[in-house]
Amino acid sequence: QSALTQPASVSGSPGQSITISCTGTSSDVGGYNYVSWYQQHPGKAPKLMIYEVSNRPSGVPDRFSGSKSGNTASLTISGLQAEDEADYYCSSYTSSSTPYVFGTGTKVTVL
Amino acid sequence: EVQLVQSGAEVKKPGESLKISCKGSGYSFTSYWIGWVRQMPGKGLEWMGIIYPGDSDTRYSPSFQGQVTISADKSISTAYLQWSSLKASDTAMYYCARRGMTLPDYWGQGTLVTVSS
Repeated sequence: QSALTQPASVSGSPGQSITISCTGTSSDVGGYNYVSWYQQHPGKAPKLMIYEVSNRPSGVPDRFSGSKSGNTASLTISGLQAEDEADYYCSSYTSSSTPYVFGTGTKVTVL
Repeated sequence: EVQLVQSGAEVKKPGESLKISCKGSGYSFTSYWIGWVRQMPGKGLEWMGIIYPGDSDTRYSPSFQGQVTISADKSISTAYLQWSSLKASDTAMYYCARRGMTLPDYWGQGTLVTVSS
């Protein structure tokens, strides 16, 4: 099972919007509405930001939103803030022998 | 409050054995899968394997099959990841994570394993 493909880095200025893509196949991202996004600050554990494509857990700011089209899922951060600077990983349920797969990760830089 | 608390950092020599732990609380430990995830220095997340503490059903990523053993003791709400013979390439941060409906939701704080002669 190959990792899902994400851009290595995305950057934006405070207040701007950025979008991170996560591309898989019809066996994972495209086949199920089970895509999650995780935020990881340096030296910290990943934190769930979006689940089931577009749902936010309690406590996650509404400037974080998720969507999916075909085999590609996306995470959008609107009104970018300094504390959003982190690594972001997507994950998808998969029909392969492994129950889920992670993306390659994207480093978000706030300029 | 759901919590996963992992054991502390370890420094080992190549060839040594190791077992790290992940204790769950705040939910029904036997009703959710617990997975283990490796993060090598400066790298991304890799799924290693998963266990259902209710019946100890265990699945491994092909990349880690035969390299590690995952187990659980439901009487003390604890999952384990163990190695019989560590290699320098096992140096990494290891996370446990509860699997929610389908994907990880709550994560442990991580256990840093350093293997060096």
